[in-house]
Amino acid sequence: EIVLTQSPGTLSLSPGERATLSCRASQSVSSSYLAWYQQKPGQSPRLLIYGASSRATGIPDRFSGSGSGTDFTLTISRLEPEDFAVYYCQQYGYSPGTFGQGTRVEIK
Amino acid sequence: QVQLQESGPGLVKPSETLSLTCGVSVDSISGSYYWGWIRQPPGKGLEWIGSIYHSGSTYYNPSLKSRVTISVDTSKNQFSLKLSSVTAADTAVYYCARPGRTAMVTSYFDYWGQGTLVTVSS
Repeated sequence: EIVLTQSPGTLSLSPGERATLSCRASQSVSSSYLAWYQQKPGQSPRLLIYGASSRATGIPDRFSGSGSGTDFTLTISRLEPEDFAVYYCQQYGYSPGTFGQGTRVEIK
Repeated sequence: QVQLQESGPGLVKPSETLSLTCGVSVDSISGSYYWGWIRQPPGKGLEWIGSIYHSGSTYYNPSLKSRVTISVDTSKNQFSLKLSSVTAADTAVYYCARPGRTAMVTSYFDYWGQGTLVTVSS
């Protein structure tokens, strides 16, 4: 199975700052089949990005995804207070679909 | 908007079988989706368990395949998960979810249930 490694484990930033989250795959992800989710405590994951760079319905444009092959990035251009959460990447190009271990974005 | 709701016991004894059901509303389970189960141990990441099509076709994570059974009841618009021989390592929040890609086993998930915590303990 494809292993996804997210870095950093924790990102400490202030509101208004730019956040850059990384997701690296153990092998190339087919057709950029990579998604990003946001999860807040006690809530279900919320889809942000699919196809590496397509925003899901209702997702603000401060969230953007990029990358291909084995290296993918989620960028939050200017952090809003509601953006502090845990973020997961997921590859769905090969079965089984797998998730990264998560990056926590916390308030500095 | 699609709604999914998990239901089932919150406490299961070791070696017994965990059973959960996911009710789907505002969408037909007979649509072209492989409906999925995903779990998340407390404080940890997400793991895809398996998925099912309305025809009954199933796909399971190889790491759990020997213990997992997913079934569908189209008349009730719901699908179910059974996980046998559970241990403390199976303690997790269990989510059911609808994929964003039609007719594809592997997909991202755009609609999720609220999740239900199942604790394995005697």
